[in-house]
Amino acid sequence: DIQLTQSPSFLSASVGDRVTITCRASQGISSYLAWYQQKPGKAPKLLIYGASTLQSGVPSRFSGSGSGTEFTLTISSLQPEDFATYYCQRLNSYTLTFGGGTKVEIK
Amino acid sequence: EVQLLESGGGLVQPGGSLRLSCGVSGFTFSNYAMYWVRQAPGKGLEWVSFIGHDGGNTFYADSVQGRFTISRDNSKNTLYLQMNSLRVEDTAVYYCAKDGGLGRGDYWGQGTLVTVS
Repeated sequence: DIQLTQSPSFLSASVGDRVTITCRASQGISSYLAWYQQKPGKAPKLLIYGASTLQSGVPSRFSGSGSGTEFTLTISSLQPEDFATYYCQRLNSYTLTFGGGTKVEIK
Repeated sequence: EVQLLESGGGLVQPGGSLRLSCGVSGFTFSNYAMYWVRQAPGKGLEWVSFIGHDGGNTFYADSVQGRFTISRDNSKNTLYLQMNSLRVEDTAVYYCAKDGGLGRGDYWGQGTLVTVS
């Protein structure tokens, strides 16, 4: 089975910072990757799919890149509402593996 | 407006059963695959099960294979998860999600808590 490994698992950042989260796949998955944001007590929210396509309604400060085995989620200027946990997910499969998550906290 | 609403969670003893439901509105249910994802307390997301738009294809995580059954009733716009032989480690919030294509969950329910104790 393909595994997804996110790094870091935790990061502390300030409002206005540029933040980058990495997701590595144990085998190549082309561009079949999505990113989600989850806040405490809430359901996940789709941010990006196809590695780089922004979901409708998601602010443009979020961007995704990568293909094959290495992917990144970038927040260009961190806002107060962006403090949350972020997950990557393998797509194009009936077994929709998630990464372990990256918690972004306020410095 | 797309809405998904889970129900059926609760407290159950190990070895017991529960059936979760996910009622949907705001989109043509029969056109979309659906899936269940769970989240144990303080842990990450774990995909549980997938069902095709017509119920013809179903898939399960190894951790629930043989114990859980996913199904749907397109006439009632409802997704189900029958959970049997429940274990303490099945304790989690269970979310249903609409597959917006290639497995991306573009809409999610609010979740229902299952506690096995």
